Amino acid sequence: GESVGLHLPTLSVQEGDNSIINCAYSNSASDYFIWYKQESGKGPQFIIDIRSNMDKRQGQRVTVLLNKTVKHLSLQIAATQPGDSAVYFCAESDSWGKLQFGAGTQVVVTP
Amino acid sequence: DVKVTQSSRYLVKRTGEKVFLECVQDMDHENMFWYRQDPGLGLRLIYFSYDVKMKEKGDIPEGYSVSREKKERFSLILESASTNQTSMYLCASSRERGAGETQYFGPGTRLLVL
Repeated sequence: GESVGLHLPTLSVQEGDNSIINCAYSNSASDYFIWYKQESGKGPQFIIDIRSNMDKRQGQRVTVLLNKTVKHLSLQIAATQPGDSAVYFCAESDSWGKLQFGAGTQVVVTP
Repeated sequence: DVKVTQSSRYLVKRTGEKVFLECVQDMDHENMFWYRQDPGLGLRLIYFSYDVKMKEKGDIPEGYSVSREKKERFSLILESASTNQTSMYLCASSRERGAGETQYFGPGTRLLVL
């Protein structure tokens, strides 16, 4: 079946550096791709999304890149801060709005 | 801000018990969802509802049922809890159908079935 997967389960990054979290997807019919952040003890929180007809979208300190040729999605976090330590999930949405989540990447920010 | 609340943060139940997990959203959202979250598996959709008294099966509905009698409330029911239902349960809501509609999550209920 179709699936969303992540390349790395854990990412360790030094404070101030840029982080890149990668995600592979297999359903070329997905309309939207979304990144969620889940801090310890909390539910996932929406970060940013990108429509399937776009290649790049920027938010505050975050950028999402979509490469439809190789079915790859990435989240870039600029100047990573301790508060960015969390699990990050990519998800793909069908036209209805149902989400299919990846396994998640744990980001650990070191001083 | 959208607020999604779940009735319990932690729950311990015994095998065979009937378990109710409650979720309430305060933004008049049409859609509500129940997921379970397990390490290495991400979030998996159990059931969702797009209107009062309407429900649809997600990817892993076996062993679960749901109820949506009021728009703001969506309940997940484990008819006879089993140890393999030990997990984190997350509720979410979204405004309406559509690919661009953000899902807002509650804090989760961590359920332990002994």
